Amino acid sequence: QLQLQESGPGLVKPSETLSLTCSVSGDSISRSTYYWGWVRQPPGKGLEWIATFYYGGRTFYNPSLKSRLTISVDTSKNQFSLKLSYVTAADTAVYFCARVFRIGPIVAATPGYFQHWGQGTLVIVSS
Amino acid sequence: DIVMTQSPDSLAVSLGERATINCKSSQSVLFSSNSKNYLAWYQQKPGQAPKLLIYWASTRESGVPDRFSGSGSGTDFTLTISSLQAEDVAVYYCQQYYSPPFTFGPGTKVDIK
Repeated sequence: QLQLQESGPGLVKPSETLSLTCSVSGDSISRSTYYWGWVRQPPGKGLEWIATFYYGGRTFYNPSLKSRLTISVDTSKNQFSLKLSYVTAADTAVYFCARVFRIGPIVAATPGYFQHWGQGTLVIVSS
Repeated sequence: DIVMTQSPDSLAVSLGERATINCKSSQSVLFSSNSKNYLAWYQQKPGQAPKLLIYWASTRESGVPDRFSGSGSGTDFTLTISSLQAEDVAVYYCQQYYSPPFTFGPGTKVDIK
């Protein structure tokens, strides 16, 4: 059974780097036929797409965050990570990781809908 | 960017009655080569992660009750709950996956009247 679990510091200081990890069980990121991604939700607000990637393939970034974003994969731990630099209070949110349906053959695939979500982790940016 | 809007912002429906949520995209999300609408619906209950309900605008995810249905094409879409149950109280979001950035609607809150 697929499970995704976000982890990381719940409090980050302004101008520092937010680092989160998504641990995956029940599927292998490196052998999966799915994309993987991040979505965030400021308290009391709606959902904002952050990034989606396919292991060994292309990564799609939200242009509004791209300059501050780094997405990486640790296949030995079956985890993927998000780093967001120079954070401000506007980056305070619940961060979700998710498995994303792949549309089309691998050579010409695009990301689809967010099919399975982690429970989310709250990150507060404050001094 | 494709902007997603939803209406109403919130609605209250009596148990057993129909709830209808509308979603509009600023440009078509219908992909002509496969005639599929790249539109999904999610349900988010308080304190929980979103849950996929509908994809390709009208395909119900496995395990989702058949009282949930999606319709529409191009730029105008609808999520219908045919007979509202207490456990359906939630915020519902539409999302386009036609082109990045993959944008969500602002959400519609559904309550019991």
